[in-house]
Amino acid sequence: DVKVTQSSRYLVKRTGEKVFLECVQDMDHENMFWYRQDPGLGLRLIYFSYDVKMKEKGDIPEGYSVSREKKERFSLILESASTNQTSMYLCASSFLGATDQPQHFGDGTRLSIL
Amino acid sequence: AQSVTQLDSQVPVFEEAPVELRCNYSSSVSVYLFWYVQYPNQGLQLLLKYLSGSTLVESINGFEAEFNKSQTSFHLRKPSVHISDTAEYFCAVSDPPDKLIFGTGTRLQVFP
Repeated sequence: DVKVTQSSRYLVKRTGEKVFLECVQDMDHENMFWYRQDPGLGLRLIYFSYDVKMKEKGDIPEGYSVSREKKERFSLILESASTNQTSMYLCASSFLGATDQPQHFGDGTRLSIL
Repeated sequence: AQSVTQLDSQVPVFEEAPVELRCNYSSSVSVYLFWYVQYPNQGLQLLLKYLSGSTLVESINGFEAEFNKSQTSFHLRKPSVHISDTAEYFCAVSDPPDKLIFGTGTRLQVFP
């Protein structure tokens, strides 16, 4: 079974802090994704990576950056956390070019910025 | 750009009643379509997918969805729901080569 593991289920941080959300997958997937989930807005893509050190902006990249130093690990970074970044963050992975294959999701990190 | 519309944000239903969750997408070209389910405090899991062939696709837990190209719809149905079906359901369309576009989700609440 594919496993996508997000390092924290719940996280509370303060405004202005630098926040790291970590995601690891064990299926040798090339693609990794970070989404933000908010009520009434569904899932919105923040960043996408199709290879080590490669990244592509999604629909809402402002205020975020990402790092992919190893194939299995994809980190989301909030450079200076703000209260409007309080949300559920979901990581996903999939094979490159396999549009007919599903993305596999982690259980999410519920982040609160105070 | 492609888009996905889930018209119903919440669907309350009694146990053993039928349910339909509606999904419409914008593209007129060939697409792949997916339904994902999110149980409380969990990530998304694939429920079923349409790639090609038969327009009716089924999941292992009794859900089915019908691809209708002329109406650009992919509605999800179940003839008799169970309490355990309470979850949020997301429709998604492929955004080649590797991305998905998700709808805003429908929260299905099943009451005893």
